[in-house]
Amino acid sequence: AQRVTQPEKLLSVFKGAPVELKCNYSYSGSPELFWYVQYSRQRLQLLLRHISRESIKGFTADLNKGETSFHLKKPFAQEEDSAMYYCALIGYGGTSYGKLTFGQGTILTVHP
Amino acid sequence: EAQVTQNPRYLITVTGKKLTVTCSQNMNHEYMSWYRQDPGLGLRQIYYSMNVEVTDKGDVPEGYKVSRKEKRNFPLILESPSPNQTSLYFCASSLTSGVRQTQYFGPGTRLLVL
Repeated sequence: AQRVTQPEKLLSVFKGAPVELKCNYSYSGSPELFWYVQYSRQRLQLLLRHISRESIKGFTADLNKGETSFHLKKPFAQEEDSAMYYCALIGYGGTSYGKLTFGQGTILTVHP
Repeated sequence: EAQVTQNPRYLITVTGKKLTVTCSQNMNHEYMSWYRQDPGLGLRQIYYSMNVEVTDKGDVPEGYKVSRKEKRNFPLILESPSPNQTSLYFCASSLTSGVRQTQYFGPGTRLLVL
């Protein structure tokens, strides 16, 4: 079974401070991992995907297969980063082909 | 405008009264799915569909049905709703289920079952 765990339900930082949202996963095959973000009163939207190795809005995430983690990081948090963040995994093995699993979500609040 | 639409956006119903939440996308996407969002539990996938007439169970399929008779529509059916199905529901679609897929989410349907 595939599983995504975000250990922090709430995370508060001050503007300009570094931020790291943790994500750990459990999957027997080679996963594809994503971070989605939901700003207040907006739809959930893709922030970044591990395969692209891109930086979006200053956020980066590196897939660490040894630690089965995909933590989201930003060196200097901004107030507009306040949102709900979801880590997600899509599986392509066996009976779970194409199944997308989300973590529980982390609410990030950036204080001025 | 490319989008995913859901109807209704808000619904209050009573236990046992069958209901359907519609989902439609105009992007010719193959992959569609339904999620429910609950406090402390995050987003959980209910059902997904890789293409027309192909549907599979997600993590929490009990009490729900879906159908995919045409590419653009993916309705969620609650045959006999119960109060534990009170939740915020999201429909999403993506071009494929491949590695570069991006899920496009609908605006959500808030359901209250009394």
